[in-house]
Amino acid sequence: SYVLTQSPSLSVAPGQTATISCGGNSLSTKNVHWYQQRPGQAPILVVYDDSRRPSGTPDRFFGSNSVNTATLTISRVEAGDEATYYCQVWDATTDHFVFGFGTEVTVL
Amino acid sequence: QVQLQESGPGLVKPSETLSLTCTVSGGSISGFYWSWIRQSPGKGLEWVGYIYDNGDSNYTPSLKGRVSTSVDSSKNQLSLTLNSVTAADTAVYYCARGGRHVIAGPLESWGQGILVTVS
Repeated sequence: SYVLTQSPSLSVAPGQTATISCGGNSLSTKNVHWYQQRPGQAPILVVYDDSRRPSGTPDRFFGSNSVNTATLTISRVEAGDEATYYCQVWDATTDHFVFGFGTEVTVL
Repeated sequence: QVQLQESGPGLVKPSETLSLTCTVSGGSISGFYWSWIRQSPGKGLEWVGYIYDNGDSNYTPSLKGRVSTSVDSSKNQLSLTLNSVTAADTAVYYCARGGRHVIAGPLESWGQGILVTVS
């Protein structure tokens, strides 16, 4: 089965940049979506199709996808960005949806 | 703006059947892929399965044989059934709307989730 790997956690100071990685075999051939989940809340979509932002997502959120790694970059981090971020793809080989393990972002 | 609302019993006994409904308002079920996702306490997101409006569906291998989904377009509702539950099925269950005619599309709208405890 297809696996997406993410680092468990990272800490970042307000105003700095958070870089969240998502690894998978030939990931650049798939559409990667990113979700933000604040504690006690449902996930919300923040980036889709590698780099597109839904209306409502600040332009501080930037997505990219190359070879085997997709990246979600959050610039000028704010306290409200503190959450767990999940990457997700649909794997055509298995016809399954796959989530990464999640990266918990702490704003210092 | 489409809204999704999960409903069902919050407590299910071991070996019994978990049945949930997702009611969709502000939009149609037709033409979209719909997924169920669950999250065990303190854990990450686990995809459970998807269903398309024509009934096409698939499920995560770990639950295959115990899980099924259905769509009732007349009521704008989805349903999830999970048989022979154990404590390991205790989780918050979410329904989410996926891509329009495109299975690889994002899960762009989510319900608030419902906690189901097996005990």
